[in-house]
Amino acid sequence: AQKITQTQPGMFVQEKEAVTLDCTYDTSDQSYGLFWYKQPSSGEMIFLIYQGSYDEQNATEGRYSLNFQKARKSANLVISASQLGDSAMYFCAMRVPNAGNMLTFGGGTRLMVKP
Amino acid sequence: KAGVTQTPRYLIKTRGQQVTLSCSPISGHRSVSWYQQTPGQGLQFLFEYFSETQRNKGNFPGRFSGRQFSNSRSEMNVSTLELGDSALYLCASSSGGPGARGDNEQFFGPGTRLTVL
Repeated sequence: AQKITQTQPGMFVQEKEAVTLDCTYDTSDQSYGLFWYKQPSSGEMIFLIYQGSYDEQNATEGRYSLNFQKARKSANLVISASQLGDSAMYFCAMRVPNAGNMLTFGGGTRLMVKP
Repeated sequence: KAGVTQTPRYLIKTRGQQVTLSCSPISGHRSVSWYQQTPGQGLQFLFEYFSETQRNKGNFPGRFSGRQFSNSRSEMNVSTLELGDSALYLCASSSGGPGARGDNEQFFGPGTRLTVL
């Protein structure tokens, strides 16, 4: 079974500063994928970034980067130059290929960007 | 390309009733997954359908069921509603079949917010 842990229920960050959202995971599978999603108050889940277990480089997508430390089983999301529109819930999730397309989600972190 | 659509967006039911929610995936996608989101339990996987077959099922009672049609549209049904079924129900569509790449992205719909009174 897979497990995702997000230990920060809520965080504040000043506009234009960088912020790191923590995610640790547990799985016995060697092949897996890690995802980060953003959920605004409207409810829709928006894909941000993906990291594969065999990827040697940390993933980056614009202002988002993933700090992947495989030995520590962590996959932290870094948002650079925070914007007011970044205020939302953020979820870390895992997929293992032998479980189809099922995603296992963490409990989420609510990020609030201060002007 | 149209995104994932879910209908209805909001629904109010009373205990004991049943409800059917609908999800239309992105054109060409054959996989549809359903998730329940509640403040207490977070996001939990309900089931996944691929090419009209249930491929995976989460740990939910038999009151929760689903199906997928030949056009990949999917419905989920909850019978004998309980207060605890009040939640946001999210549907995700994907192109990935068995053995899909790890980065097989899931595209989510806006959700159906169900309130059980």
